[in-house]
Amino acid sequence: GENVEQHPSTLSVQEGDSAVIKCTYSDSASNYFPWYKQELGKRPQLIIDIRSNVGEKKDQRIAVTLNKTAKHFSLHITETQPEDSAVYFCAASIQGNTPLVFGKGTRLSVIA
Amino acid sequence: GAGVSQSPSNKVTEKGKDVELRCDPISGHTALYWYRQRLGQGLEFLIYFQGNSAPDKSGLPSDRFSAERTGESVSTLTIQRTQQEDSAVYLCASRAGSTGELFFGEGSRLTVL
Repeated sequence: GENVEQHPSTLSVQEGDSAVIKCTYSDSASNYFPWYKQELGKRPQLIIDIRSNVGEKKDQRIAVTLNKTAKHFSLHITETQPEDSAVYFCAASIQGNTPLVFGKGTRLSVIA
Repeated sequence: GAGVSQSPSNKVTEKGKDVELRCDPISGHTALYWYRQRLGQGLEFLIYFQGNSAPDKSGLPSDRFSAERTGESVSTLTIQRTQQEDSAVYLCASRAGSTGELFFGEGSRLTVL
């Protein structure tokens, strides 16, 4: 089955700096890669996703890149703000066929 | 409903007892997942229901764990003979089809004494 590795496990950045979180996956057939944000004591919520037919996707301060050859994908947050502080999870699946498997999460702290 | 609803929100039980956790997905959502999240840890896949297909049970950690779903509606996760290591938040999520966003419930926090 799919295995997703995520790093770093914790990340601290100064407000206004960029943050990058990286994930690798094992199943070359995986074609869907979402990112979820979980604030303290709350449920995970989707922030951005990417499918294997594109290499990059942006949404305001958030971007995700995908390298299918290397089987890794990354989340980039620019101009970080204190409200970006949360745990971020990457995930991978073969859409419609396999369950969504998550990485172990990255705890991001944005220091004002 | 407006969102995924889970009950109970908190459950404290004694080691060896059985527990049932309930999930009401968003109306019309054909896919339903159960995940386990231990304190400060990631989302551990347990089981996946998709429409009328046989569920994917590959994530269930032992035969003490089972889950059922009635059609495309309510799901129940049952843990028999609970152990202390079962203590965690159990999250349910649903999705409209075979693709797209998962909508999570608030979770059921299970504490096994």
